[in-house]
Amino acid sequence: DQQVKQNSPSLSVQEGRISILNCDYTNSMFDYFLWYKKYPAEGPTFLISISSIKDKNEDGRFTVFLNKSAKHLSLHIVPSQPGDSAVYFCAAFKDSNYQLIWGAGTKLIIKP
Amino acid sequence: DAGVIQSPRHEVTEMGQEVTLRCKPISGHDYLFWYRQTMMRGLELLIYFNNNVPIDDSGMPEDRFSAKMPNASFSTLKIQPSEPRDSAVYFCASSFELPPQETQYFGPGTRLLVL
Repeated sequence: DQQVKQNSPSLSVQEGRISILNCDYTNSMFDYFLWYKKYPAEGPTFLISISSIKDKNEDGRFTVFLNKSAKHLSLHIVPSQPGDSAVYFCAAFKDSNYQLIWGAGTKLIIKP
Repeated sequence: DAGVIQSPRHEVTEMGQEVTLRCKPISGHDYLFWYRQTMMRGLELLIYFNNNVPIDDSGMPEDRFSAKMPNASFSTLKIQPSEPRDSAVYFCASSFELPPQETQYFGPGTRLLVL
């Protein structure tokens, strides 16, 4: 049973446009959500996070939106740049018993 | 700091053989994590340590997997005997505190292929 789902294995976006990466979860008790970015042959690197008590967090070109009623979060990248081409992982964290559950990842391709 | 170091970067072995993956965390980090990445299941947390003590190994698939952390600068993940379904990329990560309060830093991973 996958508690965190990234239903799009890949996404292709034109350079300069907005990239929207989606993530759905099933457990309403998650406390934090995190996004990681991964380049080939490297480990994931932390990108941005959001607490379950917020609905938006912004850091430069990256914004994460959380819709708790829909159990859905999204990562917006504006404007998209070629260096954003990578695999993006969504992860959900539950504080009470330390669970960090990861999605399967979405491969983002930015076309020049 | 060189970051989290993992060795080997690639491992090809035959079914039934013992495999040992190694990790050197970032100096001063109290937490160390082992993950496995597969196409089907994405990233899975296998086990994590705090101050060299295993805290949660509920993600370890079965008894064929074992992990140790004999000191603050070294950890191993051992698979014995290995099976083709163990083929995956294994990541080690370390952090000062548990996420999300502190960022995890990942190593480059070990790509394991069991024939």
